[in-house]
Amino acid sequence: KAGVTQTPRYLIKTRGQQVTLSCSPISGHRSVSWYQQTPGQGLQFLFEYFSETQRNKGNFPGRFSGRQFSNSRSEMNVSTLELGDSALYLCASSLAGAGTDTQYFGPGTRLTVL
Amino acid sequence: TQLLEQSPQFLSIQEGENLTVYCNSSSVFSSLQWYRQEPGEGPVLLVTVVTGGEVKKLKRLTFQFGDARKDSSLHITAAQPGDTGLYLCAASRWTALIFGKGTTLSVSS
Repeated sequence: KAGVTQTPRYLIKTRGQQVTLSCSPISGHRSVSWYQQTPGQGLQFLFEYFSETQRNKGNFPGRFSGRQFSNSRSEMNVSTLELGDSALYLCASSLAGAGTDTQYFGPGTRLTVL
Repeated sequence: TQLLEQSPQFLSIQEGENLTVYCNSSSVFSSLQWYRQEPGEGPVLLVTVVTGGEVKKLKRLTFQFGDARKDSSLHITAAQPGDTGLYLCAASRWTALIFGKGTTLSVSS
C-alpha cells in the first residue's frame, strides 16, 4: 500500500508570492490534516479536511487555506508569503481523523521563503 | 503556553547508554502518542498509551503513561545509533494532534 505522498518536496519562493502544496493520502483515507513544523514552534496543526469539508482549524492567519477533492487529495495554499512561513509542511492522512485512528505522515514539503 | 512540555530538548549520548525522555502536561488526556521523526521524513507513530499507569514495550523502548494521565515517559535501554532522531509526544484534540516540541536524540558509536 502506497504511503502519503507530498509534492513538491522542496520549494523556494520570495516574499509576497503565493504557493500551493499537494498531498495524496493513503488509498481509502478520507481525513487529511496539514501541519507546519519549525525549529522554534515545533509541529503545529493547520487544518483538517474530511470528505471535502474543512472540519477543524488551527490558529493560523487566513493566508493559509486548503481544500480537498473528491478523491481525498488535498492542497494547501499560502498567499502573500512571509519570511516566517519558511518551514516543513507535513500532511497526514487517516481513515476518520486523529482522535479516532492512526495518522500517517508524508515526508513533507520544505518551503524556503527568501 | 505549550500544552505538552517535553524534556530534555536535546540529548547526546554514547551507544549502550540508557536514557529517559519526559512529556508533561497540566491537562488530563484520554491517550498520548509517541512518534519518532528522522531527517527528511515525517513522524512515524511508535505507540499509543491509553490507560493510566500503562506500560508498553517496543523492543528496547519502554513507554509509560502516568497514573493521572497527565504525563508520559519514554525509556530507551542500551541506545544504538539507529535510535537517533526527534522523539515527539502528542495528544489528540478532536481531529487534531497537538505535539510537544520534541527531544532530539543523538547516539554516537
